[in-house]
Amino acid sequence: EPEVTQTPSHQVTQMGQEVILRCVPISNHLYFYWYRQILGQKVEFLVSFYNNEISEKSEIFDDQFSVERPDGSNFTLKIRSTKLEDSAMYFCASSEQYEKLFFGSGTQLSVL
Amino acid sequence: AQKITQTQPGMFVQEKEAVTLDCTYDTSDPSYGLFWYKQPSSGEMIFLIYQGSYDQQNATEGRYSLNFQKARKSANLVISASQLGDSAMYFCAMRGLNDYKLSFGAGTTVTVRA
Repeated sequence: EPEVTQTPSHQVTQMGQEVILRCVPISNHLYFYWYRQILGQKVEFLVSFYNNEISEKSEIFDDQFSVERPDGSNFTLKIRSTKLEDSAMYFCASSEQYEKLFFGSGTQLSVL
Repeated sequence: AQKITQTQPGMFVQEKEAVTLDCTYDTSDPSYGLFWYKQPSSGEMIFLIYQGSYDQQNATEGRYSLNFQKARKSANLVISASQLGDSAMYFCAMRGLNDYKLSFGAGTTVTVRA
């Protein structure tokens, strides 16, 4: 069964460093998303991406964050200057239709 | 804006029994979708079931069924014949028809006992 693939599964970085989280959505999907989950808290929406542009973003998704689809298969989330509070599990998701949104297995980001 | 409420932080269920996880929601959108996801201890988010607000019948997917009561704004998940592998966190989520984002509840931890 097709799945959303995320790399790396764990990322440790120093505060102030840039990180890029990578995702390969399911191949025929057109809608891409990033969510995050701080330990013990709710899953929070960050951004959605459709037709090569951001379709919706949350208040969390400030100028420190950016997304890109550099080629036909990858979808990346960049955090320019990481802060301690960016430590979380980051989930990529994709959907072909409205009804089913599939998540990857996540990247656990630890900012030290 | 959508709001999802899951009032049960944790539940225990005996293997082979059924369990119902509560979810209530609030929205001003006339059309919306409701989702349930499972998050095992390994961390991934697994799609379980979807219910559209205008669907005439309650959604079912194998051992999962969604008890949708639109007037009460509830979308409870029923897991029948619980298995040890069902032990996980379960999240209810929703989005409006014209929304891209899912809004999640706080989750319910289910522990299945042998």
